[in-house]
Amino acid sequence: KAGVTQTPRYLIKTRGQQVTLSCSPISGHRSVSWYQQTPGQGLQFLFEYFSETQRNKGNFPGRFSGRQFSNSRSEMNVSTLELGDSALYLCASSFSPTGGYGYTFGSGTRLTVV
Amino acid sequence: DQQVKQNSPSLSVQEGRISILNCDYTNSMFDYFLWYKKYPAEGPTFLISISSIKDKNEDGRFTVFLNKSAKHLSLHIVPSQPGDSAVYFCAASARIKAAGNKLTFGGGTRVLVKP
Repeated sequence: KAGVTQTPRYLIKTRGQQVTLSCSPISGHRSVSWYQQTPGQGLQFLFEYFSETQRNKGNFPGRFSGRQFSNSRSEMNVSTLELGDSALYLCASSFSPTGGYGYTFGSGTRLTVV
Repeated sequence: DQQVKQNSPSLSVQEGRISILNCDYTNSMFDYFLWYKKYPAEGPTFLISISSIKDKNEDGRFTVFLNKSAKHLSLHIVPSQPGDSAVYFCAASARIKAAGNKLTFGGGTRVLVKP
């Protein structure tokens, strides 16, 4: 059974650019969540999608956005990149619509903004 | 407002001994708790969870204890092995359907198991 797949694994972007990260959840999982991990802030919740609808959003500026497709694959986009956006971005999928049951994380995308 | 806290940033333990990791939470709506293990540049790996209707859950070498009145949980690893060296995160969830899937994480505890 394939796990959660995130692409690309590594990315280097310049300040002011935008970036799109992709996440393919485990087959059958309809809930996809995104997290940002930085040394100073730890693991912080970005947003969660279920059946193409955003249900939750964390405390991040509007430059961070996402979407989910009908096959449950999800993308997140960060526009006008800042140096502080350098982080490991993690995607997690779940078979449960709530509660964090069966939450499985991907290996993440390491974004470096220069 | 840090709703989940792991007050010990690091822990060093001898191989074969017990590792005890602690986690405190403030939000009384949290009713499901999870522990994850994480290596650098990888995603967190689920270890064990506990529902608020229980006070203990065991899975092999891992046991999680929950004290709801103190809003405190702990993870015990017995016996500790060198492969357990990693960062451990405590996470909490509120199982209210409208809230969806959202985990609130503690800051992590780095565990080093010495051979």
